[in-house]
Amino acid sequence: EPEVTQTPSHQVTQMGQEVILRCVPISNHLYFYWYRQILGQKVEFLVSFYNNEISEKSEIFDDQFSVERPDGSNFTLKIRSTKLEDSAMYFCASNFPGQADTGELFFGEGSRLTVL
Amino acid sequence: QQPVQSPQAVILREGEDAVINCSSSKALYSVHWYRQKHGEAPVFLMILLKGGEQKGHEKISASFNEKKQQSSLYLTASQLSYSGTYFCGTEGYNDMRFGAGTRLTVKP
Repeated sequence: EPEVTQTPSHQVTQMGQEVILRCVPISNHLYFYWYRQILGQKVEFLVSFYNNEISEKSEIFDDQFSVERPDGSNFTLKIRSTKLEDSAMYFCASNFPGQADTGELFFGEGSRLTVL
Repeated sequence: QQPVQSPQAVILREGEDAVINCSSSKALYSVHWYRQKHGEAPVFLMILLKGGEQKGHEKISASFNEKKQQSSLYLTASQLSYSGTYFCGTEGYNDMRFGAGTRLTVKP
C-alpha cells in the first residue's frame, strides 16, 4: 500500500540552527501539507502546496519557514533558525482530492524535532 | 478559522456510547474525522462531503449538517481500541484545519 515517508524520525538540534525535514508523498498525489503538533496539543496546519507553489499557509508559517519540492518526489520543510518553541512533531501529508471520492489525507509517521 | 470541538475529553466504560461534535464558523466544503493514538500519526476515519450525509464505519458513524456548519461523530458500544484523540478536519480552499481534539478514554 502506498505511504507517505518522512525523514528523519527524530532530530535534535541547537537553537538557531537550520533544519530540513524531508517527506516523500504518495506519487500520484497532487496536494502536499505540513502540520505541526506540539507534544500533547492539537495538530496545527502550517502550509499546503500545489502545482509547485504554496496554496495556503497559516499564521504560524512565518519567514523562518519555507517549503520546496526540489525534484518532483521530495517535499521539504526548512526551518531557518530554530527556536525552542519549534520543538514539535512535524507531520507531512498528501492527498488527491476527488480520487476515490474521498480526498483522504495520508499522513507520514512524523518527524520529531527537539530544539535545545 | 479552525473548527471547534466538544467535549474536550470523554471517559467511557466499554460498551457505552459517545458523541463528539465539531462546528465551524465558516461554510464547510467537507468534514474529515481522524483518530490519533498517542505518539502516532492521525488515522483517517471518514469524510463527509455533502450536507445531510451520514456515514458509518463499524460502530463509528458521523453526520454532517451543512446548514449549521456542524458535524458529529457517534461511537456506539465503545471498545477499548476506540481510545485516542479524535480530530475533525474542515476543508476550505486548499487547506485542512483541525479542531483541538477530543480525548476519548475507554475503560474496561
